[in-house]
Amino acid sequence: AQSVTQLGSHVSVSEGALVLLRCNYSSSVPPYLFWYVQYPNQGLQLLLKYTSAATLVKGINGFEAEFKKSETSFHLTKPSAHMSDAAEYFCAVSDGKTSYDKVIFGPGTSLSVIP
Amino acid sequence: NAGVTQTPKFQVLKTGQSMTLQCAQDMNHNSMYWYRQDPGMGLRLIYYSASEGTTDKGEVPNGYNVSRLNKREFSLRLESAAPSQTSVYFCASSPHSTLAASSYNEQFFGPGTRLTVL
Repeated sequence: AQSVTQLGSHVSVSEGALVLLRCNYSSSVPPYLFWYVQYPNQGLQLLLKYTSAATLVKGINGFEAEFKKSETSFHLTKPSAHMSDAAEYFCAVSDGKTSYDKVIFGPGTSLSVIP
Repeated sequence: NAGVTQTPKFQVLKTGQSMTLQCAQDMNHNSMYWYRQDPGMGLRLIYYSASEGTTDKGEVPNGYNVSRLNKREFSLRLESAAPSQTSVYFCASSPHSTLAASSYNEQFFGPGTRLTVL
């Protein structure tokens, strides 16, 4: 069965500092991996996704993530945090094998940006 | 395009009351989903509809029913609400095409319905 763990339910960074949000997955088949962002009182929107084309994936708003098969990780990074990055971030995994887009979400990491 | 819309935005129910959450998408997507979001638990799938005319249970279906009214609309019904169903409910849709094996379809989310059951 697939699963996702996100280390740290809450992360605080200073404005301008590096953002690192950790995600580890478990999958018996090559996975598809996603990062979604949820701003307060809104639905989730896709930041980026890995579908085996390239291990370093660039997303919106300056975020990127690197797929490391040996570490079963897909950590999200941004070189310089902005106040507008404060949100909840969800890592998700899928095997792409089902008849619908079945996605397993992690518990989420809340990012705070300190001025 | 409005994307995925949900009504209502907020709802308060008493235990035992029933209600239907409405969801519609205007992106001509095949698949639609209902999730609930609870603190520290991420999103959990309640029901999904892989295509028009089909529905199936997800991870936490007990206490809920769904209807895929047509390709655009997918409703979630609580027949007898319980306090444990207090949550934020999200509807999502995805194109899900089997035509291109190398592609993968993201899910598009509505703004959510905040439901409180007293």
